[in-house]
Amino acid sequence: GESVGLHLPTLSVQEGDNSIINCAYSNSASDYFIWYKQESGKGPQFIIDIRSNMDKRQGQRVTVLLNKTVKHLSLQIAATQPGDSAVYFCAESTGRRALTFGSGTRLQVQP
Amino acid sequence: NAGVMQNPRHLVRRRGQEARLRCSPMKGHSHVYWYRQLPEEGLKFMVYLQKENIIDESGMPKERFSAEFPKEGPSILRIQQVVRGDSAAYFCASSPTAGGLSEQYFGPGTRLTVT
Repeated sequence: GESVGLHLPTLSVQEGDNSIINCAYSNSASDYFIWYKQESGKGPQFIIDIRSNMDKRQGQRVTVLLNKTVKHLSLQIAATQPGDSAVYFCAESTGRRALTFGSGTRLQVQP
Repeated sequence: NAGVMQNPRHLVRRRGQEARLRCSPMKGHSHVYWYRQLPEEGLKFMVYLQKENIIDESGMPKERFSAEFPKEGPSILRIQQVVRGDSAAYFCASSPTAGGLSEQYFGPGTRLTVT
C-alpha cells in the first residue's frame, strides 16, 4: 500500500543550530499529518500537526511545512537542544483512518 | 489528567503461550488504536476500536491476534500461541474523536519478548 518515508535516517546537528527533518509521502489523498518524537524506551510524543488545507504551522520552537505539490513534509526545530535528541516520525492519515508512520529519522544533538 | 496507560510494560512469554496486553485510554477518549513497532522501525497500525466495536482491523494478522474494547475496562490486545516473530513493542493510542482527524496520544508501550 501507499506509505510515508523519510530521506535521512540520521541527522547530526550542533547545539543551538536549527534542524530540518524531511518526510516524503505518497498518498495524495492524505489530509492530516503529524510529527512525533520518540525517545528511547518511550512511546511517541505528539509535537505538531497540520491539515492539508494549510502549508505552514508554527509551535513553540517548531514549524511544520507541507508542500502538497511534491508531497513533502518537513519539521523545523529552532535552536536545537540536547533534549531534542530522539527519533522523529512523520505520520499521515486519510479521512477517518488510523495513522501511517514513516520509518523515522534519528536526531543527534552535539554539545 | 492521567495519560494513556499500558500494562505490563515488559512481558516475557515462551513460544506457544498467550500474551495479553492492556490499554487504558485517556479520560474522555473513546477511540483506541494499537500499533506494533519493531526495533529501528516505524509504528505499524494494527487495529482501531471504539467501545464494544472494532472499526478497522486491516493491520491485524488474520490468525492468533485479537482485540477488544469492552464497555467497561481497558482495551485488550491478545496474542495466542506466540512465536518469536511477535517480539516487538506494542503501543496503544487514544483520541477523543474518530480516526486520524485529531492527534493521537500514545502510551508508554508494552515490550513483548518471546523466548
